[in-house]
Amino acid sequence: LVLTQSPGTLSLSPGEGATLSCRASQTVNSVYLAWYQQKTGQAPRLLIYGASTRATGIPDRFSGSGSGTDFTLSISRLEPEDSAMYYCQQYGTTPLTFGGGTKVGIK
Amino acid sequence: QVHLVQSGADVKKPGASVKISCNVSGYNFSQYSIHWVRQAPGHGLDWVGWISDGIVFPQYSLSFRDRLTITWDTPTSTAYMELSSLTSEDTAIYYCARGVNDTVSTHFDYWGQGTLVSVSS
Repeated sequence: LVLTQSPGTLSLSPGEGATLSCRASQTVNSVYLAWYQQKTGQAPRLLIYGASTRATGIPDRFSGSGSGTDFTLSISRLEPEDSAMYYCQQYGTTPLTFGGGTKVGIK
Repeated sequence: QVHLVQSGADVKKPGASVKISCNVSGYNFSQYSIHWVRQAPGHGLDWVGWISDGIVFPQYSLSFRDRLTITWDTPTSTAYMELSSLTSEDTAIYYCARGVNDTVSTHFDYWGQGTLVSVSS
């Protein structure tokens, strides 16, 4: 099951909103879709699971939505600390797979 | 608190094997799983395989199946990932991550700090 993320790169200003897309090659049960944030030199951090449930400690500026083959991670009111790579992951089918990532840069 | 602490960086020659450890603490392992994910330099995340207390045979990604062994040592609460017949394409950071249940269908809520494995002649 291939996950394709778009765009590859986003460059936005603080305070703006970001919309990241994750498209699956076949239907994903929305219960089994997660999003991670990875900053340079760090391990990934869980943001969203079950397509739309925020992980513990994740601010409500981050939200997930979608179903079937199309999923979205939205980040509102961007802050400099949001500069990172963002990956989606499906865990309904083995092998578990990740998308190629979207790089979000803050101007 | 939950902690996953991995062994340090390693340098190997092509054809050799590497064994990475992941010591976990702060939770009851029997209710969760440990997965391994690797990230080649400048690349994304690839799932390698997993283990939990209740399964007899760990499950591996087909990309690694013949070269990979994942084990769990209960007395020390440590998971191990051993990869053999290394090539330069195995150069990567290897992460252990906690699955939120004891099945393969899980996301990962805690991650180790990563272990860099460099394969070079």
